[in-house]
Amino acid sequence: DGGITQSPKYLFRKEGQNVTLSCEQNLNHDAMYWYRQDPGQGLRLIYYSQIVNDFQKGDIAEGYSVSREKKESFPLTVTSAQKNPTAFYLCASTPGEVSYNEQFFGPGTRLTVL
Amino acid sequence: GQNIDQPTEMTATEGAIVQINCTYQTSGFNGLFWYQQHAGEAPTFLSYNVLDGLEEKGRFSSFLSRSKGYSYLLLKELQMKDSASYLCAVTDSNYQLIWGAGTKLIIKP
Repeated sequence: DGGITQSPKYLFRKEGQNVTLSCEQNLNHDAMYWYRQDPGQGLRLIYYSQIVNDFQKGDIAEGYSVSREKKESFPLTVTSAQKNPTAFYLCASTPGEVSYNEQFFGPGTRLTVL
Repeated sequence: GQNIDQPTEMTATEGAIVQINCTYQTSGFNGLFWYQQHAGEAPTFLSYNVLDGLEEKGRFSSFLSRSKGYSYLLLKELQMKDSASYLCAVTDSNYQLIWGAGTKLIIKP
């Protein structure tokens, strides 16, 4: 079955630690995205990548970093510089431009900072 | 600024019809999406409107009026499994996707 996987589903982190969230897709999609979702707010774009070895900052990139070394993979690192990292993180992909293509989402990772 | 407004929460009865509204103010418009999201899960695609009018897909329909900056999602013959949040998202002139905060729909028997 084709789809997007994210791991782990739940993640706990101590303050001051970096943590990496995994996102893998076997849909052969070119574009991948990372969103953050907080209660009562819409999805906010952290980073996106439209092609391997290239990525762009979204609206809230500070304190986060990404890489896109393979088409299938787009890991997100939450660094200690992110002041309020507790949130639900969603990875998504599209076959092309997001403007007219539906986004396919992974199951999400819920990150809690202790 | 760019803004998408949806009601925070709505309640409806099983078997009934409910309309979830979405109004938007964005720099340009290149399409509007509706997604369904069950609690703790990923959003799933419901519909896409780029031209004015009604798009029907089974029990769900989506309407768009570009001149009014307005869309609605219509759910018929409500089932308990329709209890979820419904997210409205608009693509602006820069082809960036702007998301609303979502409407939590509660279905009562």
